Amino acid sequence: ELKVEQNPLFLSMQEGKNYTIYCNYSTTSDRLYWYRQDPGKSLESLFVLLSNGAVKQEGRLMASLDTKARLSTLHITAAVHDLSATYFCAVKWVSNYQLIWGAGTKLIIKP
Amino acid sequence: NAGVTQTPKFQVLKTGQSMTLQCAQDMNHEYMSWYRQDPGMGLRLIHYSVGAGITDQGEVPNGYNVSRSTTEDFPLRLLSAAPSQTSVYFCASISSGGALETQYFGPGTRLLVL
Repeated sequence: ELKVEQNPLFLSMQEGKNYTIYCNYSTTSDRLYWYRQDPGKSLESLFVLLSNGAVKQEGRLMASLDTKARLSTLHITAAVHDLSATYFCAVKWVSNYQLIWGAGTKLIIKP
Repeated sequence: NAGVTQTPKFQVLKTGQSMTLQCAQDMNHEYMSWYRQDPGMGLRLIHYSVGAGITDQGEVPNGYNVSRSTTEDFPLRLLSAAPSQTSVYFCASISSGGALETQYFGPGTRLLVL
């Protein structure tokens, strides 16, 4: 069974600080996604990571994937208030199109 | 392109009532899926379809039916609503495979079952 665990589940931080969200998964997968969700809104795709060592960056967000450790990280650099949201990782099961989702990390960035 | 659209945005049902949540996409995606999102949890897959006429169960299919008569539409039917089905429902479609494959989500339907 494929399980996906995110931590922390809640994070409150000050603007200007750096922090990392972790996403662990239990079995082999061929891709991992990061999504952002604002309160009461739908989900917005941030990154798709395909291979071991993949690193993608968009603005203050950088995602990486270590398939051997079954770990992905989402790093926030010099956080700003606009990045406050809930961030989800989702792992695609190799055998079909099913995505298994982490519980989400609620990120609050205080001005 | 409108992307993925869902109706209604909000719905209140009484226990035992049935209803259909509508989902449509105009991107010609073969794969579509329905998720539910409950507080403090990630999304859980209810049903999915890999093309017109083909559907399959996801992680939490009980109490829900789907059909896929066209590429564009993928309705979700609640057969006899229960309070445990109170949730936010998202429909999604997936672009073609490969490095750019990603899921596009509709705006969601908030359902309250009393």
